[in-house]
Amino acid sequence: GAVVSQHPSRVICKSGTSVKIECRSLDFQATTMFWYRQFPKQSLMLMATSNEGSKATYEQGVEKDKFLINHASLTLSTLTVTSAHPEDSSFYICSATGRTPGETQYFGPGTRLLVL
Amino acid sequence: LAKTTQPVSMDSYEGQEVNITCSHNNIATNDYITWYQQFPSQGPRFIIQGYKTKVTNEVASLFIPADRKSSTLSLPRVSLSDTAVYYCLVGRGSGNTGKLIFGQGTTLQVKP
Repeated sequence: GAVVSQHPSRVICKSGTSVKIECRSLDFQATTMFWYRQFPKQSLMLMATSNEGSKATYEQGVEKDKFLINHASLTLSTLTVTSAHPEDSSFYICSATGRTPGETQYFGPGTRLLVL
Repeated sequence: LAKTTQPVSMDSYEGQEVNITCSHNNIATNDYITWYQQFPSQGPRFIIQGYKTKVTNEVASLFIPADRKSSTLSLPRVSLSDTAVYYCLVGRGSGNTGKLIFGQGTTLQVKP
């Protein structure tokens, strides 16, 4: 299957700082990328949908000014957690897909964020 | 988006066949059914996807009845390494309308 990478795999930062997470589709063009957050022993929660070249669509309850998403190319989307706080500590996962109906959505390995 | 219902947990033994059934009564005409496997601290891994009838690949089979209101993931001869959470999702799976909403998944515990 297609490969999606994330960088970094884990990051520790101080409260109040911003953290950028990259999501790349390595061998296909991803017209759409999705960002999820997962807390321990819980399911994945969709945060936003990101289309190349346009603004992201955020799910209800997700602060768009806190979680900045940029999808500048067909192979790269970034999630920036601004002014991070300890409650933002979580496992962030991206996924990517093309535009063909039924095309499989592939997930990245995830990024573990710990805010001290 | 169609909601899915799966058993919260299942136990099995090595070498047995495991069947996990998912209900999706409100599936739309253009929705696909996709199953993912997730290990702790990893992203979900694609297992299998289907639209109707039966789909088989090298790791699993997916059975979908004619009304498409449910589906069954079949894992032949499981091993300890198949212990994971399995998610059933319904949606277009692609493009900007392809967002997938995860349910609680099924935690499969394979015992020796």
